[in-house]
Amino acid sequence: EVQLLESGGGLLQPGGSLRLSCAASGFTFSTYAMSWVRQAPGKGLEWVSTISGSGGSTYYADSVKGRFTISRDKSKNMLDLQMNSLRAEDTAVYYCAKHYYMAVNHPSFEYWGQGTLVTVSS
Amino acid sequence: QSALTQPASVSGSPGQSITISCTGTSSDVGGYDTVSWYQQHPGKAPKLIIYEVTNRPSGVSSRFSASKSGNTASLTISGLQPEDDADYYCNSYTSTSSVVFGGGTKLTVL
Repeated sequence: EVQLLESGGGLLQPGGSLRLSCAASGFTFSTYAMSWVRQAPGKGLEWVSTISGSGGSTYYADSVKGRFTISRDKSKNMLDLQMNSLRAEDTAVYYCAKHYYMAVNHPSFEYWGQGTLVTVSS
Repeated sequence: QSALTQPASVSGSPGQSITISCTGTSSDVGGYDTVSWYQQHPGKAPKLIIYEVTNRPSGVSSRFSASKSGNTASLTISGLQPEDDADYYCNSYTSTSSVVFGGGTKLTVL
């Protein structure tokens, strides 16, 4: 059974940093692209970032480019999102998601974690 | 990258059929066969119900079907049931190697 379990969310002030993690199990982690998707309170889904199975290719939404870094550790089956220079508009539930296919250019998110809430407020 | 355009809300009675549209451009929906659809109930994670325009993952009801014409993709739910009451989102790969979601559609089953 595929499981994705996010952690690391919390309350922090603007300008701060936070690292989210997603523990993956039940599939060959290094084979599939993985993504982060967020949802601001009461709002729709917003794609944040994608990483290839090997970790060699990464992609970011313009809204987070230069501030967020996606990475993965295949030895630990972990997906991370390092978030720096956080802003109020980054407040959201952050989901990690496994792609249906291995390819990064097929963003069908087959499995989702339960989400972790990040609140940026002074 | 602008969000794909979805109607804010649709409604239907049990047993009826409804269709939700998802309009983009030739740089996303029209340019790639990568449109997916998700169902989200309040407080829950989204669930994939359609991938690559027309395909249903294992376990998803056959009442869900989808298509694409030009820059517009469509999701049809037939034989509406109370549990279909949820938010629905589309997404697509884009020419800038990014992913774009639709704004979401709230389906109310009357």
